Amino acid sequence: DVQLLESGGTLVQPGGSLRLSCAASGFTISNNAMNWVRQAPGRGLEWVSSISATGDTYYGDSVKGRFIISRDRSKNTVSLQMNSLRVEDTAVYYCTKCNNQGSGWCNWFDPWGQGTLVTVSS
Amino acid sequence: DIVMTQSPLSLSVTPGEAASISCRSSQSLLYTYGYNYLDWYLQKPGQSPQLLIYLTSNRAAGVPDRFSGSGSGTDFTLKISRVEADDVGVYYCVQSLRVPFTFGPGTKVDIK
Repeated sequence: DVQLLESGGTLVQPGGSLRLSCAASGFTISNNAMNWVRQAPGRGLEWVSSISATGDTYYGDSVKGRFIISRDRSKNTVSLQMNSLRVEDTAVYYCTKCNNQGSGWCNWFDPWGQGTLVTVSS
Repeated sequence: DIVMTQSPLSLSVTPGEAASISCRSSQSLLYTYGYNYLDWYLQKPGQSPQLLIYLTSNRAAGVPDRFSGSGSGTDFTLKISRVEADDVGVYYCVQSLRVPFTFGPGTKVDIK
């Protein structure tokens, strides 16, 4: 059974750093593209970052230059290093697995983890 | 960036009736092999989003055939043929043609 389990969310002060992790089971992360998607309280979904199966990384404009996505093959995890955190980064962060068909490298997100809450506040 | 819009933003449906949600993109989502890179997700109250429909019209595993997706180019529709109480939540469309992947604002569905 393919599952994802996020961890690392907590309360952090503005300007601080945090590292989120997503542990995968039932598949090998290094063979798949992976994403982080977030949801601010009471708001919709926002794509944050992706790492392709070949290791290419992509970021939304709101986090570019501050967040870094990476993966650890030995632990079968994908991580999101979050630096220079802002109040507006407060959200539940979901890890999702990419699936593809045809020419695309990430055509739909399935499954999703249960999410981890990051609160940025003084 | 590709902008996604949805209508309506909220929908109240009587059980057993049909429901329809529209999703529009600011650019065509039609690409190679004839695929339209548009997916639908449902976020039930208190839960993580779950995949409903991928590549416009393909139901995800375990999704009832009451759900169907259609469309091409910039106009897409999610239809629920007979709404049940378990269908309540927020429905999102998302384009997966290119990064940044962008979500629609969501359509909240509740039961009358």
